[in-house]
Amino acid sequence: GAGVSQSPSNKVTEKGKDVELRCDPISGHTALYWYRQSLGQGLEFLIYFQGNSAPDKSGLPSDRFSAERTGGSVSTLTIQRTQQEDSAVYLCASSLVGAGGPRGELFFGEGSRLTVL
Amino acid sequence: LAKTTQPISMDSYEGQEVNITCSHNNIATNDYITWYQQFPSQGPRFIIQGYKTKVTNEVASLFIPADRKSSTLSLPRVSLSDTAVYYCLVGVLNRDDKIIFGKGTRLHILP
Repeated sequence: GAGVSQSPSNKVTEKGKDVELRCDPISGHTALYWYRQSLGQGLEFLIYFQGNSAPDKSGLPSDRFSAERTGGSVSTLTIQRTQQEDSAVYLCASSLVGAGGPRGELFFGEGSRLTVL
Repeated sequence: LAKTTQPISMDSYEGQEVNITCSHNNIATNDYITWYQQFPSQGPRFIIQGYKTKVTNEVASLFIPADRKSSTLSLPRVSLSDTAVYYCLVGVLNRDDKIIFGKGTRLHILP
């Protein structure tokens, strides 16, 4: 597709269950980012992948959160043993290069809204 | 990334010009200034990017003074649909680094 695709768009789960969120970036984009946004709040950085480099996991809030990126393309964010405070919109973005300069525009998906009951 | 400071919220009326200023006192020589717009229930989208002086596109203008320690996003003749959160980011040219968003400016356009 032309844009960043995320699935599922909505996920309702019970406390303690594991969830997987998927991000399909724009083809050819080497950088991929995951952010979390709680209601009415700003974007919270979670993890950053760039090419074949080791990911920057410095934003992951706990060891229940993990992410992988297979073949430099699709990424999966996994949350184990979900808690109610994990409820948020999880946004994925991709860019052609590190997004600090020209041609570094971040393209965001529509997000996956997670509700933990 | 250089730290940025912008107003938490602003109100304006339809048809007015809106200027949102972002302070970035520690901007580095190679840093570019980028603004994103986020509508409710959507991911942010790129609006405009600049290095110095003035940049204009179909959506907005970006004014950057000579010392580059601040920048102003200007939205001409706003409408209700411009109600959104606007984020200012300052980053290094083509640097391999994570991108941290601040809290942004929540712009509310009134009829």
